[in-house]
Parts: sequence; C-alpha cells; structure tokens
Amino acid sequence: DAGVTQSPTHLIKTRGQQVTLRCSPKSGHDTVSWYQQALGQGPQFIFQYYEEEERQRGNFPDRFSGHQFPNYSSELNVNALLLGDSALYLCASSLAPRQNGYTFGSGTRLTVV
Amino acid sequence: SQKIEQNSEALNIQEGKTATLTCNYTNYSPAYLQWYRQDPGRGPVFLLLIRENEKEKRKERLKVTFDTTLKQSLFHITASQPADSATYLCALFTGGGNKLTFGTGTQLKVEL
Repeated sequence: DAGVTQSPTHLIKTRGQQVTLRCSPKSGHDTVSWYQQALGQGPQFIFQYYEEEERQRGNFPDRFSGHQFPNYSSELNVNALLLGDSALYLCASSLAPRQNGYTFGSGTRLTVV
Repeated sequence: SQKIEQNSEALNIQEGKTATLTCNYTNYSPAYLQWYRQDPGRGPVFLLLIRENEKEKRKERLKVTFDTTLKQSLFHITASQPADSATYLCALFTGGGNKLTFGTGTQLKVEL
C-alpha cells in the first residue's frame, strides 16, 4: 500500500515564477494538509483540504493556494515566488487525524534563486 | 502568544540509556497531543498520540506522558539504539478543526 506520494522531489525556480506541487494521499484518506518546513524548524501549517474545500488556513499569504480533486489528490500553488519560499513542502493525509495521526510524504524540496 | 517549545539543543546519549524529550506549550488547551519522528530529508512519521484524560501511553520502547496542569508532555525512549537517532516533534491540534501545529523538534543522537 503506497503511502503519501509527492511530486516532484526537487525543484529549482526563479524569483517571481509560479510553482505547482502535487500530492496523492494514502489510499482511503480523505483529508490533505500542506506544510512548509524551513531548515531546522518544525513544519508550519499552510492549509487543509477536505471534501474538495479549503477547511483551515495558516498564516500564509494569498500567493499560496491549493486544490483538492474528487479522488482526494491535491495541489499546492505558489505565485510570485520569493527567496524566502525556499523550503521543504510536505503533504500529509489522514482519515480521522485526531485518532490516527497524519501520514506524511517525503516532501518537495523547493529552491528559489 | 501561543507556543509549543521543545529543547532546541541536540540530546546526545549512550546506547542502552533512556532518552527523555520535553514538550512544553503555552496558551493552548489541547485535547490530543501527538509525537512524530523525522529523519533528514524525509517527512515526519507518526509515533504516538495521547489524550488529555490519559496520563501515560506506551508502545514498545516508547512512553509518553501528558500533564495538562504543567502543560507539558515527556517522551521517553528506553534501551535506546543508534537507529533511534532522529528529530522528534511534538504536535497539538489547535484552533479547532484538524489543524496540527508542531514544535520545533529536538534532535536525538544515540552513540555507541
């Protein structure tokens, strides 16, 4: 059983460009969350999708947007990239997260130059 | 302000000893607290959760305590092994819904 799959694994973009990251949740999971993790820091919550709607959002600007598809897969879009957006972007999925915790993917390492 | 604090300094211990990691939180009243393990370049892996009405939870060599009065959780690894070397993150559900907020993590190094 495949866990959470993220693509691409690594990405280099130029300031001002736009990027789309993709996530396939673990089979049977319907809730998808996105996190940004800077080096040496804990993951920071970006937003969460459930039933194709954004349910909760962290303290991230509108440049960060997302989508969830009917098959529960999800995309994270970041517009007008800044150098500070360089980080590991993690996708997590769950069914009943309070009882079962989240399953994380290995992340997408984004470098903005 | 709301904070989840973990020891920022790495914890170095000898193989076979018990490692104890601390998670303190302020201005939260979590009903659940979770612990994750993260290896370099990988996503966190869920280890254990504990509910506010549980004082202690065990899973194999792992033990978690949860003191809602002190606003603190302790995470213990007994008979530690070099393979236990990783960063350990505590996390709380905050702000309603299923938003999981993480601490900064503590790096554990188990030496031979």
